[in-house]
Amino acid sequence: AQSVTQLGSHVSVSEGALVLLRCNYSSSVPPYLFWYVQYPNQGLQLLLKYTSAATLVKGINGFEAEFKKSETSFHLTKPSAHMSDAAEYFCAVSDDAGGYQKVTFGTGTKLQVIP
Amino acid sequence: KAGVTQTPRYLIKTRGQQVTLSCSPISGHRSVSWYQQTPGQGLQFLFEYFSETQRNKGNFPGRFSGRQFSNSRSEMNVSTLELGDSALYLCASSSGLISETQYFGPGTRLLVL
Repeated sequence: AQSVTQLGSHVSVSEGALVLLRCNYSSSVPPYLFWYVQYPNQGLQLLLKYTSAATLVKGINGFEAEFKKSETSFHLTKPSAHMSDAAEYFCAVSDDAGGYQKVTFGTGTKLQVIP
Repeated sequence: KAGVTQTPRYLIKTRGQQVTLSCSPISGHRSVSWYQQTPGQGLQFLFEYFSETQRNKGNFPGRFSGRQFSNSRSEMNVSTLELGDSALYLCASSSGLISETQYFGPGTRLLVL
């Protein structure tokens, strides 16, 4: 079964600092990978998606993620944190569960941005 | 295109009651998934419906059930509510293809007293 590991349930960065949120997946074949963001009391919003077209994926709000097959990783980065980036971030994997889509989410990482 | 809608947005129930939550997917989407989100357990998968059939189910007791209608709208029902059922219930829709994105609704916040 597919699994997704997000290292660090809480990450704190200073405003203007680099944001790095880690995600590793378990799969013998390249899956489809997603990052979502969730603001308090809201649903999950898609940040970006990897579908094998390019290993570096650019998303909304200045975020990007790099797919590294050798490391089975899909870490999310942003060069300069903004206060509005404070939210919870989820990494997810979509793969084939016998002919249909199965999506597995990581446990989430709460990002705190310190002024 | 309109997004995923969930009704009601907020709900207060008492222990022992039952509740029905509704989800309307994005037009054309045939897959609807339900998730429970709590501070302690995080985001947990409940079940997924595709073309009125449950294809996948998470590890929840039988008190949690769902269904999907021919227009792809879905409902989930929780019977004999317990305090621990207080959570944000999220619905997500997709085309069902492996490469496609799940789009989430705003959620229904359920409080069980």
